[in-house]
Formats: sequence, C-alpha cells, structure tokens
Amino acid sequence: EIQLQESGPGLVKPSQSLSLTCSVTGYTITSGYDWSWIRKFPGNKMEWMGYISYSGSTNYNPSLKSRISITRDTSKNQFFLQLNSVTTEDTATYYCAETEGDVMDAWGQGASVTVSS
Amino acid sequence: DIQMTQSPASLSASLGETVTIECRASEDIYNGLAWYQQKPGKSPQLLIYNANSLHTGVPSRFSGSGSGTQYSLKINSLQSEDVASYFCQQYYNYPFTFGSGTKLEIK
Repeated sequence: EIQLQESGPGLVKPSQSLSLTCSVTGYTITSGYDWSWIRKFPGNKMEWMGYISYSGSTNYNPSLKSRISITRDTSKNQFFLQLNSVTTEDTATYYCAETEGDVMDAWGQGASVTVSS
Repeated sequence: DIQMTQSPASLSASLGETVTIECRASEDIYNGLAWYQQKPGKSPQLLIYNANSLHTGVPSRFSGSGSGTQYSLKINSLQSEDVASYFCQQYYNYPFTFGSGTKLEIK
C-alpha cells in the first residue's frame, strides 16, 4: 500500500518561500506514476499545483508557474514543493498525492500552512 | 482553464435515501472526470474515475454517470459513514481543476 506523509513548517512569513516534503512509503517514486501537490484553501476551493513524474519531468499549473518548483530526492524516496514569494492567499492545507492516469488515488494527510507575519 | 460548476453546495438527506451530486464542465471533458470523498479531518479518497468507473474498494452504492459537460455522482441507500464533502475533478486538460465541493449531512 502506498502511503504519503507531508511535513514542513506550519507558519511562513509573507514574501518568503514555503517548502514542504512528501515522504512516500510502499512504492519507489522512480518506478512509476506522477507525484502531485494539491492545496485546499479555507472555504474549500481545491487547486492542483503540479506534479513530478517518475522520470523527473515536471508539469505545473500555469497560475503558479513563476513561483513553484517540485523536485525530488530519489535516495530518500521523497519529493518536495517550493512556493516562492508567498502571500496570505497561499494559506491552505497542502496535500501530496500519488497520481495515476491523472487521477489522485492516494493522498497524504495534509499539512496546514499559514502565511502570516 | 476548464471551469467545474458543482451543485448543490450542501445537501441534507435521510439514512437510506438516494442522493445525487452534479458537476458541469465549461467544455466537453470526454469523461475525464473523477469524484473524491473527504470525510471530516481526513484526506480525500478517490471514489470514481473515467466518470463511471468505481475505484477499488469503494462500495457499489456509489456510482458515476454522465458525458460531455454534465456528470453526476449518485449515492444509493445513504449510510451514516457517507457524511463527507464530495469533489469532482476534471483531468481531460491541464491544469486539472476541481469543483467547489458538496457537503453531505444526514437529517
């Protein structure tokens, strides 16, 4: 069974960078699938942010393209989200998810991130 | 981006009832649609993909249908454990986009 777990700071100051880690167990991220980041805003709107594929290629939501980077550490079976120049509008719960055929069929528990000074 | 309009925003129904949630896409998404369930305090779980295919382990009282721009999720014989929020997601085109969610409660 694939399991994912997000980790990272729960509080980030405006204009700084948000960095989150997704640790994957039960599957090697270079073996297949895409590995996505999704966020859910207060008020329940959900936004797909992007993914890194098993081969290392990336695909980002154009609304974030200038601020987002998704990378990975294959030795630790982890992938990462970095979102630059955050504002209070980036306050959300961030989820990582295993993505097969563009469908998110295993999700982490979520990491709540607040952007505030 | 493809806009997904989901309705209703909230729904209250009795145990044993049948409920239907709708999603309308701003253009044809050719059955590239998934439904997710998110129980309070939990992460989303995949229910349906390709508009009408039941994900492994999902009870058969859940079903999806639709085509073109109109899709629906039906829950037969509502159970107490179905209290949750439900979201649709289109994956026909990038960027993937979600509906605004439906909160389902038991009367």
